[in-house]
Amino acid sequence: GAGVSQSPRYKVAKRGQDVALRCDPISGHVSLFWYQQALGQGPEFLTYFQNEAQLDKSGLPSDRFFAERPEGSVSTLKIQRTQQEDSAVYLCASSFRNRALTDTQYFGPGTRLTVL
Amino acid sequence: QKEVEQNSGPLSVPEGAIASLNCTYSDRGSQSFFWYRQYSGKSPELIMFIYSNGDKEDGRFTAQLNKASQYVSLLIRDSQPSDSATYLCAARAAYSGAGSYQLTFGKGTKLSVIP
Repeated sequence: GAGVSQSPRYKVAKRGQDVALRCDPISGHVSLFWYQQALGQGPEFLTYFQNEAQLDKSGLPSDRFFAERPEGSVSTLKIQRTQQEDSAVYLCASSFRNRALTDTQYFGPGTRLTVL
Repeated sequence: QKEVEQNSGPLSVPEGAIASLNCTYSDRGSQSFFWYRQYSGKSPELIMFIYSNGDKEDGRFTAQLNKASQYVSLLIRDSQPSDSATYLCAARAAYSGAGSYQLTFGKGTKLSVIP
């Protein structure tokens, strides 16, 4: 009955470092989303997986951002050569199938990334 | 560009009053709408969703949708100090290939319920 979990909860990186953020969705949820939330803003879509397939990556801001979900469960969002503008909360959400109008996305606690 | 607009607030209401939160959206293809509540430093949690024109009630919360006006609202009756949070409105488009399925969020309205 666990919800979406994310780790680490907080990450401080020096500019230029690579980081990896992990998301463990609700068991049985086919769809997984990554969002980026800057301070005072709403979440913004980054990428979407259906099982292991990355069907939409139109929200990734640059080629420094890469996401994977190799076995259709746990997902990792990787940011290479971090920049200060990457500082934000990274939210992961999962939903059962995401085909019905009412399929609900459930959010994890987020990872707060601070790039110095 | 799909957009969801919300008044950022803060909206202050006295305890026991009705809080009215509003949202407009630009994409006429949006078919369902979600209200999330986000406490400071926490993740968004779903309050309710709506996809048919009219009102939908759930406890103290009522969501209203007017597709012709591209307008969604959330009413909170008998507001409590514990309702103080940021309320995010989100729109979900119909499937149309890549770029669909995800939610487009507004910036959120900060609600403060004064005891």
